[in-house]
Order: sequence, then C-alpha cells, then structure tokens
Amino acid sequence: AQSVAQPEDQVNVAEGNPLTVKCTYSVSGNPYLFWYVQYPNRGLQFLLKYITGDNLVKGSYGFEAEFNKSQTSFHLKKPSALVSDSALYFCAVRFGYGGSQGNLIFGKGTKLSVKP
Amino acid sequence: NAGVTQTPKFRVLKTGQSMTLLCAQDMNHEYMYWYRQDPGMGLRLIHYSVGEGTTAKGEVPDGYNVSRLKKQNFLLGLESAAPSQTSVYFCASSPFVVNTEAFFGQGTRLTVV
Repeated sequence: AQSVAQPEDQVNVAEGNPLTVKCTYSVSGNPYLFWYVQYPNRGLQFLLKYITGDNLVKGSYGFEAEFNKSQTSFHLKKPSALVSDSALYFCAVRFGYGGSQGNLIFGKGTKLSVKP
Repeated sequence: NAGVTQTPKFRVLKTGQSMTLLCAQDMNHEYMYWYRQDPGMGLRLIHYSVGEGTTAKGEVPDGYNVSRLKKQNFLLGLESAAPSQTSVYFCASSPFVVNTEAFFGQGTRLTVV
C-alpha cells in the first residue's frame, strides 16, 4: 500500500536551533512529495515539493527538505528555528499513475513547538 | 484572488439532519478533494474528483456523498449526520499535472450533537 508516515507527533526546538521534521514514504514508482504547514484555525499552506532532480529542495520561509531515495525519506529542515515556525506540519505524497492518479495522501502531521 | 472558498465556515447539526458543504475554486483546476481532519488522525481523504462529472471514493467515504456538476464546484453531502462526523472539513484543488501542489480552503468546522 502506498502511504506516508510521520513518526513524531511533536517536535520541540529552542529558537535559533536547527529543526528537523521527519517523513518516510512507501510509493510505487517515482514519488511526488510535498510539505504543507497549518497554523491554528487555518487551512494548509504549501511549503515545498520534490519532483525530480536535486535531492535538497528549498521552499518558503527558509525551509528545505532532503529527499533520500534509499531511505525513502523526505525530512523537512530549517537551519535556525523561529517561534513563528510553531505550527502543524504535514508531509504528503501524490500518486503519479494508475487508478489513483492525482490522489494526495497525507501523513498524520507533526506539531512543531519552538520555544524562545 | 479568491482561490478555494468553503461555505459555511461553521455549522452545528443535530443527529439525523442533512447538509451540504460547498467548495468553489476559481483556478480552473481539474482535481478537487474533500478531507476531514481529526486530532491525531491527520487529513483523511473522503472523496475526490478528477474532472467535471466524475467522482471517486477516498479513504473514508462512508456516510458522505459528493457531486461535481460544474468544474469549479465540489459539493460534499451528509444525508443523515452522526456524531462521528464531527470534524473539520477541508476542500482542496489542484491542476491535472500530478507534480503540482494543491490549494486548500479555510475549512468548515462541523459539530453533530
């Protein structure tokens, strides 16, 4: 079954420290991977995506993500966390072929808490 | 730009009542999705549509019906609401090309009492 997993329910980081939010996937064929962020009482906002090419993808608000095919991972990173980064982060995979083509499946989300 | 608009934003229903949630997008997107978000469960796909007049079931379709009579609108119906359908519902749309991101509405908070 094709799926995406976020192994941590919550990540706590001190402001100014680097942060990592983990994501692993199980997809047949080439994966299309995405990160979204959700602030309280808001919809999801797109951060970045991996389609093909460079394994390090840069996105909005200073975030980046590293695609690792051998480990089937797509971890979200930021060199220096801000308190305003505190939010709920979702990893997602989109199916590229077959009967479910176009489907967008999400992980359960990771709550990031950045303390001053 | 309006993007993806959901109506209503809040609703309280009694068990057994019916209602329809409306999602409208002005980006001429082919794909549209309905998700529900519950604590600890992330976003779960209810139904989706790959174009006008077509719909398909997602992960948790039971108790819901959908229609896509016009390309810009995707309706989610609850025929007989149950407390288990208390949730936040999100609509999203995306272009046909699968390597593009989806755009989300602001959500509808539904409580069934």
